[in-house]
Amino acid sequence: EAGVAQSPRYKIIEKRQSVAFWCNPISGHATLYWYQQILGQGPKLLIQFQNNGVVDDSQLPKDRFSAERLKGVDSTLKIQPAKLEDSAVYLCASSLVGNQPQHFGDGTRLSIL
Amino acid sequence: DQQVKQNSPSLSVQEGRISILNCDYTNSMFDYFLWYKKYPAEGPTFLISISSIKDKNEDGRFTVFLNKSAKHLSLHIVPSQPGDSAVYFCAASGGGGSNYKLTFGKGTLLTVNP
Repeated sequence: EAGVAQSPRYKIIEKRQSVAFWCNPISGHATLYWYQQILGQGPKLLIQFQNNGVVDDSQLPKDRFSAERLKGVDSTLKIQPAKLEDSAVYLCASSLVGNQPQHFGDGTRLSIL
Repeated sequence: DQQVKQNSPSLSVQEGRISILNCDYTNSMFDYFLWYKKYPAEGPTFLISISSIKDKNEDGRFTVFLNKSAKHLSLHIVPSQPGDSAVYFCAASGGGGSNYKLTFGKGTLLTVNP
């Protein structure tokens, strides 16, 4: 079974620029999550999708972050404009249904100069 | 306010001995707990989980214990192997509804010495 795919693996941008990350979950997984992991911390949930609907985006900084899940499969996370504090690893995870273990991709490491 | 706490940033153990990683939580609504292992430059990998209706779950060398009254769980690895060297994250979810977001601790770096 193919795992969660994320791209790009690394991205370096200057502050105030925009950036987008892509995630392809495990086939058949209805629930998709985006997490932000700052160095030295555990992952923090940004947004959760159930199929193509948003379940929880309470911790998503909506003034600069946006996310969508097209047709309930792939998802993109965008930051515009980026700030220095957005430097982190952005992890995508998926689960089959509800309260099942989440499976993570390898993440995108974002560096803001 | 950190709802999931891993108070030991690091742990060093000899190969073949037991590794015990600890985790405390404060939110009494949590009812599902997981341990993830993370190697550098990779995403977290699911290891083992436990529901709040149980107090122990075992999978090979890995056992998770849950003490609900103390709001404490631990991961035991026996015997420890050098390949177990990684960062271990404790995570919890709960509160009902369709929100299954995980709240993570900061992680514990386990080093298993040959």
